Amino acid sequence: DVKVTQSSRYLVKRTGEKVFLECVQDMDHENMFWYRQDPGLGLRLIYFSYDVKMKEKGDIPEGYSVSREKKERFSLILESASTNQTSMYLCASSSDTRSGNTIYFGEGSWLTVV
Amino acid sequence: AQSVTQPDIHITVSEGASLELRCNYSYGATPYLFWYVQSPGQGLQLLLKYFSGDTLVQGIKGFEAEFKRSQSSFNLRKPSVHWSDAAEYFCAVGPSGTYKYIFGTGTRLKVLA
Repeated sequence: DVKVTQSSRYLVKRTGEKVFLECVQDMDHENMFWYRQDPGLGLRLIYFSYDVKMKEKGDIPEGYSVSREKKERFSLILESASTNQTSMYLCASSSDTRSGNTIYFGEGSWLTVV
Repeated sequence: AQSVTQPDIHITVSEGASLELRCNYSYGATPYLFWYVQSPGQGLQLLLKYFSGDTLVQGIKGFEAEFKRSQSSFNLRKPSVHWSDAAEYFCAVGPSGTYKYIFGTGTRLKVLA
């Protein structure tokens, strides 16, 4: 089975802190994604990476950055956390979404910024 | 612009009753179509997907979905709901040749005993 592992399930951070959310997949997938999930808004794409060291902005990239130095690992960085970034963050991977391949999700990271 | 609409935010059904969750999309061609389920506090799990061919797709946990091109719809159905089906359900579309899938806002299903 594909496994997408998000290292932190629950985090509480202070406003202005730098926050790292880590994600690892074990299926040698090319594509990796970070989504944000908020009630009533569904899943919104923050950033994605279609290959190692490649990244593209999604629909809501402001306030976030990403890093993909190794194929299996995709990190989401909040440079200076703000209270409006309190949310659930979902990491996902796929072999190739251009061909309609399945996106596999991690269990999510609940981030609270106080 | 491409979009996905799930018109029902909440649905409540009795255990054993049938279920239909609606999904409509806006896209020029036929995209890849997906249904995912999310149990409380968990990530999303794929229920089924449609690429082409037979418009009735079977998935896991007894779910099926029907693609209707004329209505731009991909509704999810289950003949008899179990209490364990209580969850949030997301429809998604993947325009061919692009990396980004578009997710609907979700439908939360409550099952009455």
